[in-house]
Amino acid sequence: EVQLVESGGGLVQPGGSLRLSCAASGFTFSGFWMHWVRQAPGKGLVWVSRIYSDGSHTIYADSVKGRFTISRDNAKNTLYLQMNSLRAEDTAVYYCARDCSNGDYHWFDPWGQGTLVTVSS
Amino acid sequence: QSVLTQPPSASGTPGQRVTISCSGSSSNIGSNTVNWYQQLPGTAPKLLIYSNNQRPSGVPDRFSGSKSGTSASLAISGLQSEDEADYYCAAWDHSLSVWVFGGGTKLTVL
Repeated sequence: EVQLVESGGGLVQPGGSLRLSCAASGFTFSGFWMHWVRQAPGKGLVWVSRIYSDGSHTIYADSVKGRFTISRDNAKNTLYLQMNSLRAEDTAVYYCARDCSNGDYHWFDPWGQGTLVTVSS
Repeated sequence: QSVLTQPPSASGTPGQRVTISCSGSSSNIGSNTVNWYQQLPGTAPKLLIYSNNQRPSGVPDRFSGSKSGTSASLAISGLQSEDEADYYCAAWDHSLSVWVFGGGTKLTVL
């Protein structure tokens, strides 16, 4: 069964740091791009970042550029999101998602269950 | 303010057909495919439709997607109580070089 399990969320003070992890199983992790998507309480989905299968290329939403870093360890089948200089507006459930493609077009499937990050003093 | 525009709410009675619209621009929907995600209350999003109109295995054929120009639609026929959820459209935006989502539509089954 293809599965993604996030961890590492919690309460952090403004200006603090947190590293999220996403453990993948049931598929060849090293063969897929991966994404982080977040959802603030009661709000919609917002894409955060994407990484290529070999980690060679990353892109970010403007709102997190320069503060967040996406990375992966293919030997450990794990995706990461290092979050620095956290702000109250970063409070959200963070989901990891696998990128699927038919060559030209992409979609996210599956998604993990999410991990909650709360930034508050 | 989301790049893709969806109605915040939709509703229908069991057995009815409902549609949810998603409006974008030439840099996203107009030049890329649209995906739809279903988020049941308290759960993670789940892929519902990909590449405009393709259903993943396990998704009932009551769900269908379409795209025309810079807009897309999700149709749900034979509405059931378990369809009550939030629905999101998404597409790659090649001008912004980011993935964009609609603000989500909360579907209520009356």
